[in-house]
Amino acid sequence: NAGVTQTPKFQVLKTGQSMTLQCAQDMNHEYMSWYRQDPGMGLRLIHYSVGAGITDQGEVPNGYNVSRSTTEDFPLRLLSAAPSQTSVYFCASSYTDRILSGANVLTFGAGSRLTVL
Amino acid sequence: AQSVTQPDIHITVSEGASLELRCNYSYGATPYLFWYVQSPGQGLQLLLKYFSGDTLVQGIKGFEAEFKRSQSSFNLRKPSVHWSDAAEYFCAVEYSNYQLIWGAGTKLIIKP
Repeated sequence: NAGVTQTPKFQVLKTGQSMTLQCAQDMNHEYMSWYRQDPGMGLRLIHYSVGAGITDQGEVPNGYNVSRSTTEDFPLRLLSAAPSQTSVYFCASSYTDRILSGANVLTFGAGSRLTVL
Repeated sequence: AQSVTQPDIHITVSEGASLELRCNYSYGATPYLFWYVQSPGQGLQLLLKYFSGDTLVQGIKGFEAEFKRSQSSFNLRKPSVHWSDAAEYFCAVEYSNYQLIWGAGTKLIIKP
């Protein structure tokens, strides 16, 4: 199994450009999410989805859009890139561990490092 | 507001020495607790999790963690570290269905 696949691994953008970070999972996970990781700040949730056609905002959604047309894919769109969006982005998916108690156990992609000049 | 605190930004230990990484949380209800590890340039990998029951949980790579409700803590331990354990470690708490709060991480440095 490939798990969670993110592309591209590295990207440099100029301020104002738009782009899409791709995320695909082959585990039939219902839940998918996007995080950004900045030094000393842990992970911050951008957007998440609990199933195809359903998305919601996380802690830091401004400047980002998502859609979930299929179970497998959850792209993250930067509408007009800003230097403050320079970060490492992680996509994560999960089943809820329903056998035990319903907790969210995440599988992460390898990350996409974005630099906005 | 819910929060997760990892008080140590960096910890340096000698290879073969024991390790304890601290995690404290602020949350009113019984939490689900996690430790993840991130090797350089990699995504995060689940080390262990606590849902309920026995407060001492075993994880991968020889790690264990103990949930102490009275101290709101979920500290990670390993009896003898290896150079390959050098990484960043994140504590997380699930505070509602699907949503996690993350600590800022503790970077573990291993001295030879």
